[in-house]
Amino acid sequence: GIQVEQSPPDLILQEGANSTLRCNFSDSVNNLQWFHQNPWGQLINLFYIPSGTKQNGRLSATTVATERYSLLYISSSQTTDSGVYFCAVAGVQGAQKLVFGQGTRLTINP
Amino acid sequence: NAGVTQTPKFRILKIGQSMTLQCTQDMNHNYMYWYRQDPGMGLKLIYYSVGAGITDKGEVPNGYNVSRSTTEDFPLRLELAAPSQTSVYFCASRPNHNRVKTEAFFGQGTRLTVV
Repeated sequence: GIQVEQSPPDLILQEGANSTLRCNFSDSVNNLQWFHQNPWGQLINLFYIPSGTKQNGRLSATTVATERYSLLYISSSQTTDSGVYFCAVAGVQGAQKLVFGQGTRLTINP
Repeated sequence: NAGVTQTPKFRILKIGQSMTLQCTQDMNHNYMYWYRQDPGMGLKLIYYSVGAGITDKGEVPNGYNVSRSTTEDFPLRLELAAPSQTSVYFCASRPNHNRVKTEAFFGQGTRLTVV
């Protein structure tokens, strides 16, 4: 089945810094989503982005489907951005399954 | 619009007990999923369903059973609880992959402790 790798596994930044999180996947996808898991454990939908670029406030995401990666950008980080960011994909092959990466743990220090 | 609703939110079980985690969605989604998340780890797929009457195993199905009698409901059954099943369980749903947009939505999670 499709494989998903996220990097870096951990990222520690000061408030105000910018960050880039990466998601690599091993096959063509028809679904790619970015989630933020907050300190209370809730999974928050950030972007549905199987291709192209989207922006929502300080967050933006780009998926280059032909090169099999997606990037999540966080600008002017705030302490409330802390948590774990997950990428999840469904491949064109085996499209029913939604597979998660291992996540990037982001810590924003004041 | 309630989305995906899981019950209970928390539960403590004794070893060997059984329980059912409930999941219901009101978005008329064909696909539904159960994941478990161990502390500090990612989400692992337990079972999934592509429609009423159709279920299939994910990566970690041992010790669990599911059924899908309606589009809305996808309960997860633990028959003989073991400490290794201590985890947070998430249910999710999304439209059929042939739809234009197949965004998945998650429930709030069920935190299960087996002692």
